[in-house]
Amino acid sequence: DSGVTQTPKHLITATGQRVTLRCSPRSGDLSVYWYQQSLDQGLQFLIQYYNGEERAKGNILERFSAQQFPDLHSELNLSSLELGDSALYFCASSVEGVRSPLHFGNGTRLTVT
Amino acid sequence: AQKVTQAQTEISVVEKEDVTLDCVYETRDTTYYLFWYKQPPSGELVFLIRRNSFDEQNEISGRYSWNFQKSTSSFNFTITASQVVDSAVYFCALRTTSGTYKYIFGTGTRLKVLA
Repeated sequence: DSGVTQTPKHLITATGQRVTLRCSPRSGDLSVYWYQQSLDQGLQFLIQYYNGEERAKGNILERFSAQQFPDLHSELNLSSLELGDSALYFCASSVEGVRSPLHFGNGTRLTVT
Repeated sequence: AQKVTQAQTEISVVEKEDVTLDCVYETRDTTYYLFWYKQPPSGELVFLIRRNSFDEQNEISGRYSWNFQKSTSSFNFTITASQVVDSAVYFCALRTTSGTYKYIFGTGTRLKVLA
């Protein structure tokens, strides 16, 4: 168990809808990362937060947004969903420092129908 | 530019065979860290090992070993006497001290161990 909690585990929704994915990092970790993994694809970095502030942005669509709250949990909001947004969305957390590994949650599998 | 290349998309071996997963990285930084992660069929991503750019000692953990060679910019992962439970996608990642400390992942190698 990595200590990172992601909810929900599965999400099925229709095109055009909006969903929110939630992540609770490991205790003590201030950094939260979001990744998207489409079918048989690698990990696409979306966005990183550190202690409530956005730190880095990757290939995140304008329809997607995220935030990290004072209690350090994070939410990834996906709106105007398209079929191509179907993927496994991972949250990961780490302590500060370049040597720190990422600890991943179990992911949220989003299916857009 | 910083990049991680895992040229092997998919490898199939028969149980008990040894297998090496290749990882080649590019960076101009002198200080960096390399990581391996495992993603079994159940989907979760599990951290396996970290290596820093100043430590070229090979690491062995049970049936797993890692060979870091700065001269060839490689950080290869070998599984000895593979088992069906080793079937997974394995990702190599790089993190440097410059920029935003982003993790740069390779595209992964799918390992299938056949009984």
